[in-house]
Amino acid sequence: KNQVEQSPQSLIILEGKNCTLQCNYTVSPFSNLRWYKQDTGRGPVSLTIMTFSENTKSNGRYTATLDADTKQSSLHITASQLSDSASYICVVAQISYNTDKLIFGTGTRLQVFP
Amino acid sequence: DAGVTQSPTHLIKTRGQHVTLRCSPISGHKSVSWYQQVLGQGPQFIFQYYEKEERGRGNFPDRFSARQFPNYSSELNVNALLLGDSALYLCASSLGTKETQYFGPGTRLLVL
Repeated sequence: KNQVEQSPQSLIILEGKNCTLQCNYTVSPFSNLRWYKQDTGRGPVSLTIMTFSENTKSNGRYTATLDADTKQSSLHITASQLSDSASYICVVAQISYNTDKLIFGTGTRLQVFP
Repeated sequence: DAGVTQSPTHLIKTRGQHVTLRCSPISGHKSVSWYQQVLGQGPQFIFQYYEKEERGRGNFPDRFSARQFPNYSSELNVNALLLGDSALYLCASSLGTKETQYFGPGTRLLVL
């Protein structure tokens, strides 16, 4: 079954600290993996997208890694800010004939406290 | 440049009613996808359209239908609403069917 699992479900950290979110997937055939940030009640915003051959990609304080062999990805947030409080969703695109089918994880809810 | 826009932002309906949700993609984007996000869950894929043709369909009943217009805007229709249809409905646009999808703010539907 094609699934995307994320951990932890929720996380609380203090402002300025670093954190790492995990994503494991069983999606096949694999096209790419994306991390999205979703503020409460808003649509997700793309942070990174990585293909099979990419091991790491950065977007400011966000760094995503991908290990296609173990089917694991992580999102590392450096020097967290209050505005980082949101849900972070790992999305794996599955290759299909007409389009890539996106399979979403349930997200990690991050809360950053001052 | 305007992002993806959706209307209405919020909607309250009763069971058995019909609802139409609207989405305008980013200028130049030809593909629109619809997702349902129940509280506490990740989005679930409903439909994808490209150049007015359906390119993908998720595991949703026939009560859900959609279409894409010549200007690439799209409508999602849901008939015979059930309580379980209460969710945030997200629209995403992309240049093509395999490019990065940009999400709109969503329409929050409550079915009573």
